[in-house]
Amino acid sequence: DSGVTQTPKHLITATGQRVTLRCSPRSGDLSVYWYQQSLDQGLQFLIQYYNGEERAKGNILERFSAQQFPDLHSELNLSSLELGDSALYFCASSVEPGQGTYGYTFGSGTRLTVV
Amino acid sequence: DQQVKQNSPSLSVQEGRISILNCDYTNSMFDYFLWYKKYPAEGPTFLISISSIKDKNEDGRFTVFLNKSAKHLSLHIVPSQPGDSAVYFCAARSNQGGKLIFGQGTELSVKP
Repeated sequence: DSGVTQTPKHLITATGQRVTLRCSPRSGDLSVYWYQQSLDQGLQFLIQYYNGEERAKGNILERFSAQQFPDLHSELNLSSLELGDSALYFCASSVEPGQGTYGYTFGSGTRLTVV
Repeated sequence: DQQVKQNSPSLSVQEGRISILNCDYTNSMFDYFLWYKKYPAEGPTFLISISSIKDKNEDGRFTVFLNKSAKHLSLHIVPSQPGDSAVYFCAARSNQGGKLIFGQGTELSVKP
C-alpha cells in the first residue's frame, strides 16, 4: 500500500457519459498529480494541484477538469466520454511540487473503460 | 512532442545477466531523472534517481548512468532476477514546477 488511494479501481461507462475519479493523497502530501496511461502509451501528465490550487497543466482535454479540496483529496472529472478516453488514470502525490529526489508516490490507478 | 523517449518497448534477458534499459530526452530544463518500475495492476514505484549534475548513481543491483552531452540515460540491472520482470519507466523532472515527464516504458522480461 503506497498510501495514495484511488477509487474506484474499475469503471465501465457508455460514451457521452460523465464520471468522477477520486484520489486521496498520502498523509502529509500537499501536491497531487493526475496522469493518463493509454494502450502502448507512457504516462501522460494531465494536471497538478498544490494545496488546493492548480499548479500546472499538461495535455488535459477541455472535457476533463479536476480540483483539489480543502482536505487535500482530489477529483478528476471526465465528461462527454469517448471510446478513446479508455485508459488507466493514475493519481500521485508529493509533499511539495518536485519534492526531493524521489518523485511522486503513485496510487494503483483507476481503469476506465468506455463502451 | 515526446520530450522523454524509450525506444525499446520490450527487452528479454536471461537470469543472472545484465539488463540495460535506455532513455533519451530532448529538453535541457530537467534537473532530475528517475526510473520507476511498474507491475501489472499496480501503480509505478520509484526505483532510482540521478541529479543532472551527476553522471552515475548506484543502489545495490541498480545503476543509472547519465550522459548529458548525448541527452541519454540508462538503467543497468546486475544481476537480473525473474522478480525484476516489470515495465520500467524513465522520467525527467522539470526544473520549473517539478512535474515529471515520462517515457513510454520498456517491458523487461527476465527468464529463469
